Amino acid sequence: GENVEQHPSTLSVQEGDSAVIKCTYSDSASNYFPWYKQELGKRPQLIIDIRSNVGEKKDQRIAVTLNKTAKHFSLHITETQPEDSAVYFCAASIGNQFYFGTGTSLTVIP
Amino acid sequence: GAVVSQHPSWVICKSGTSVKIECRSLDFQATTMFWYRQFPKQSLMLMATSNEGSKATYEQGVEKDKFLINHASLTLSTLTVTSAHPEDSSFYICSADPGTSGGSTDTQYFGPGTRLTVL
Repeated sequence: GENVEQHPSTLSVQEGDSAVIKCTYSDSASNYFPWYKQELGKRPQLIIDIRSNVGEKKDQRIAVTLNKTAKHFSLHITETQPEDSAVYFCAASIGNQFYFGTGTSLTVIP
Repeated sequence: GAVVSQHPSWVICKSGTSVKIECRSLDFQATTMFWYRQFPKQSLMLMATSNEGSKATYEQGVEKDKFLINHASLTLSTLTVTSAHPEDSSFYICSADPGTSGGSTDTQYFGPGTRLTVL
């Protein structure tokens, strides 16, 4: 099956700086890559996604890039704010099944 | 729109008992629902894919006789943890795929999760 790796596991940045989280996947059949934000004890919330026919997508301070050849995709958060602090998960989808990365705990220091 | 609920949100049970968790799509029909478990500070692990009117598909390593899944309607899937033991304590999260009835077929909407503690 699909194997998704995510780095780093923890990330601390100063408020206003950028944060980058990287994921790799193993199955070239994966064609949809969502990113989720999960606050402690709450459900994952979709923040941005990208499909395999697109290389980059941006939504305000959040952007995602995809390199199909290298099988990796990244989340970029600019001008970070304290409320961005949470755990972020990437996922790769084959059909309608999601396989999640191991998560990145992001802390934004005011 | 696209709200998924779970019940109960928190349950404590004695070892050896069975616990049923419900997952409902409130404002859309879901032909497919998914069950995940999440240990503290770890990722979501897909347990099984639940299809309305048919048997669930379990991921490798998940005991189908221990984690019974029933998807009797387009808005309800249940997960029953049978003969629960302390090692089954975890956060169980469901998600629902609206499929062609609404929204993107790639989209999954997550429930709020159920925290199970087995004493």
